Amino acid sequence: DAGVIQSPRHEVTEMGQEVTLRCKPISGHDYLFWYRQTMMRGLELLIYFNNNVPIDDSGMPEDRFSAKMPNASFSTLKIQPSEPRDSAVYFCASSLRANRDTQYFGPGTRLTVL
Amino acid sequence: RKEVEQDPGPFNVPEGATVAFNCTYSNSASQSFFWYRQDCRKEPKLLMSVYSSGNEDGRFTAQLNRASQYISLLIRDSKLSDSATYLCVVLYNQGGKLIFGQGTELSVKP
Repeated sequence: DAGVIQSPRHEVTEMGQEVTLRCKPISGHDYLFWYRQTMMRGLELLIYFNNNVPIDDSGMPEDRFSAKMPNASFSTLKIQPSEPRDSAVYFCASSLRANRDTQYFGPGTRLTVL
Repeated sequence: RKEVEQDPGPFNVPEGATVAFNCTYSNSASQSFFWYRQDCRKEPKLLMSVYSSGNEDGRFTAQLNRASQYISLLIRDSKLSDSATYLCVVLYNQGGKLIFGQGTELSVKP
């Protein structure tokens, strides 16, 4: 059974460019989470969805960040315009309704903004 | 003050050693607790849940003290493959929002 799928795995871009990160959750999971991990701040929750609806976006750093979940099998996290301080590993995770305490993480996207 | 705080580490121990990690959390309304493991440049994975009565999974034992808002993880007979970062995690409500500690790095040497 496939786990959470993220793409791209690595992204290098220049400051000011738009970046789109993609996530496919585990089939049947009702919750989807976007996290950011840096050495300085550790793992931070950015936003999460329940049944494709954003529930809590209080972790989104600023208006340059946006996330969508158009259907149960796909979500995007967009940064526009990107800045060097956005460089981090971005993880997507999903969990079941009945067992939403256990979150399964994707392999992450390593973003470098030059 | 961070919501979840862990021993800074790193812990460097020989194979076979017993090592303990500690974690404190600030929100007394926290409902569920976990230890996740993260290997270098990989995603976090659930290691075990932590229950008030304490629980054991092979060489791993987790303890929770709600009164002191303290969580621990004990690893006995450590193996080289235990080398990783261990993340203390707190769930505040059933909505699924996890709060992660900074992690404690463990390095097990031959």
